[in-house]
Amino acid sequence: RKEVEQDPGPFNVPEGATVAFNCTYSNSASQSFFWYRQDCRKEPKLLMSVYSSGNEDGRFTAQLNRASQYISLLIRDSKLSDSATYLCVAAETGGFKTIFGAGTRLFVKA
Amino acid sequence: GAVVSQHPSRVICKSGTSVKIECRSLDFQATTMFWYRQFPKQSLMLMATSNEGSKATYEQGVEKDKFLINHASLTLSTLTVTSAHPEDSSFYICSATGLAGDTARDTQYFGPGTRLTVL
Repeated sequence: RKEVEQDPGPFNVPEGATVAFNCTYSNSASQSFFWYRQDCRKEPKLLMSVYSSGNEDGRFTAQLNRASQYISLLIRDSKLSDSATYLCVAAETGGFKTIFGAGTRLFVKA
Repeated sequence: GAVVSQHPSRVICKSGTSVKIECRSLDFQATTMFWYRQFPKQSLMLMATSNEGSKATYEQGVEKDKFLINHASLTLSTLTVTSAHPEDSSFYICSATGLAGDTARDTQYFGPGTRLTVL
C-alpha cells in the first residue's frame, strides 16, 4: 500500500465545473498536510496547506480528517488554467518523511 | 513569497563524470533542505534531508556515497551525483523550509529543478 494515495486520474472536466480530489495517508505520525500543483516539466508549487478545521482560498477548499487519515481538495468554477497535476503531501514535523502522492492530473476544457 | 533557486537548470554529461547541483534560498534562511528526484510521469521521491552544518539523512535505497549532499550554510545546499550513469538521468528538485515568515508550518518551497541527462 502506498503511503499517500490519491484518486487515479485523469479528470476531464468542462470549464465552470466543480471537481474534488481525495487523498489518504498511512503514516499516523504525519502532522502537516499540503496540496501542491505541478505543471508539466515544472517544479511543484504550493497551492494550500490543509488544516483540521478546513481552509478555503478563493475557489479552493481543503479539508483534513485525521481520524480517517483523509485529505480532500475541492475546486469550484474550474478555469482552463487549473489544468495541472495536483499532489497531495503528508509530512512529519519539520518536514521529515515528506511523502508525495503520485498526483492526479486535471484537464479543464472549454 | 520565499524563493529557491537551482543551478544549473539543465545538464548533459558523459557517463562516469560527476555533476554538482546547487540549491539556494534567496530571501530566507533554510533550516532544512530536501532533495527529490522525479522520473517521467512518476511522483517526486524524497532522496535526502539535510540540516545546515550536519550530515544529510538519506532515504532507504538512496546511496549516500553516490549522491553527496553538503549543506554548508543556511542558504546553500549542494547535491553531487558522482560517477553518473544513464539510469541517474532524472529531474532533480530541491526544496527548503525555514524562517520564511510563512504561517504554514513545514511548508516546502521548491527550486525550479535540474534536468540531468547522462549519455
